[in-house]
Amino acid sequence: KNEVEQSPQNLTAQEGEFITINCSYSVGISALHWLQQHPGGGIVSLFMLSSGKKKHGRLIATINIQEKHSSLHITASHPRDSAVYICAVIPQGAQKLVFGQGTRLTINP
Amino acid sequence: EAQVTQNPRYLITVTGKKLTVTCSQNMNHEYMSWYRQDPGLGLRQIYYSMNVEATDKGDVPEGYKVSRKEKRNFPLILESPSPNQTSLYFCATGRGGYTGELFFGEGSRLTVL
Repeated sequence: KNEVEQSPQNLTAQEGEFITINCSYSVGISALHWLQQHPGGGIVSLFMLSSGKKKHGRLIATINIQEKHSSLHITASHPRDSAVYICAVIPQGAQKLVFGQGTRLTINP
Repeated sequence: EAQVTQNPRYLITVTGKKLTVTCSQNMNHEYMSWYRQDPGLGLRQIYYSMNVEATDKGDVPEGYKVSRKEKRNFPLILESPSPNQTSLYFCATGRGGYTGELFFGEGSRLTVL
């Protein structure tokens, strides 16, 4: 079993829908990252969380450390949000990132 | 503009021919790292560096070397590439190690025949 599990693996939605991507992890962590990878490969950092909630534009990320769970929400989704979204955790005491497999999001016009 | 520059972006080579993938950053960050991305396996850490002359192995270091002689550069060296090193490689950098914002290079797609 992977230390970091994302769900769903694939998600297709219509423009304007509210999107939720989930990330569960099995180890204690010091922080968690959400990353976005567009077709063509470039990776962009969206959020780094160690507690609570962060918001940037239409994107909201939450984390519950006790439940070992984080969610990424996209409000009013748009076709340009189509990308792979990757969750990555920093295990406590470790100098590394452990990545989820990614969620491929497709937003249709 | 904050930049992480990788070269080459694309490379096809043959087994055993030494190659270096360069990574350079202009943000004066201490932390730099290399990852490989493979279908079905996701991203995995190869090596990381917390500062100049301080490098350490990640999860999949076999077949790779790195050096950190100056803060801005962190080259990835494949001394004798093999086909199982065919992959998409990313360099990343950050100010506070992993607990700050991360900046990734554009990726280097390497094919070893």
